[in-house]
Amino acid sequence: DQQVKQNSPSLSVQEGRISILNCDYTNSMFDYFLWYKKYPAEGPTFLISISSIKDKNEDGRFTVFLNKSAKHLSLHIVPSQPGDSAVYFCAASAILTGANSKLTFGKGITLSVRP
Amino acid sequence: EAGVAQSPRYKIIEKRQSVAFWCNPISGHATLYWYQQILGQGPKLLIQFQNNGVVDDSQLPKDRFSAERLKGVDSTLKIQPAKLEDSAVYLCASSSQTGTTYEQYFGPGTRLTVT
Repeated sequence: DQQVKQNSPSLSVQEGRISILNCDYTNSMFDYFLWYKKYPAEGPTFLISISSIKDKNEDGRFTVFLNKSAKHLSLHIVPSQPGDSAVYFCAASAILTGANSKLTFGKGITLSVRP
Repeated sequence: EAGVAQSPRYKIIEKRQSVAFWCNPISGHATLYWYQQILGQGPKLLIQFQNNGVVDDSQLPKDRFSAERLKGVDSTLKIQPAKLEDSAVYLCASSSQTGTTYEQYFGPGTRLTVT
């Protein structure tokens, strides 16, 4: 039972263009969402997050959009750079309701940015 | 600020042997998590500690896995006896659960191969 789904296993974009990574969730208790970036042989690194009371959060080149009614979020990277090539995990938590802070992860998307 | 430390980085054992992993979280972080990441999947929570008490161990295979966090700081995760399907990366993470952001900080992981 996959509560967080990243249906596209990979994405390839040209340097300088926009990368859009999608994520869907099924559990309506989730109220806090995070994106992590992972390089080979390293642990996941926190990138950006958004709570359910917002629909957009921006940090430099990274913007996360949340559509609660569709249970969908997306990560936009503009402009994409070769150093952004990594695996990106979407994660969700029910922490704001005080239920639990544990993260439920998707399977990840491998992003390749071509020079 | 030092990150989450884990050791060993790599371990190869035969099935039915035992193995132990060690984690030292970020100083001051009260919450510690152990995740299992099987190849091609996202991390899956095994156990969560708040200080030295267990908050969630619902997905820990308790017949073979055990974990402890003495004195609310370092933690060890043990597998005894190991099975082939335990081959995975074991990630430790910590968080402070204070403020307005709830990200978890991950260590580099221990890659376990069971032959």
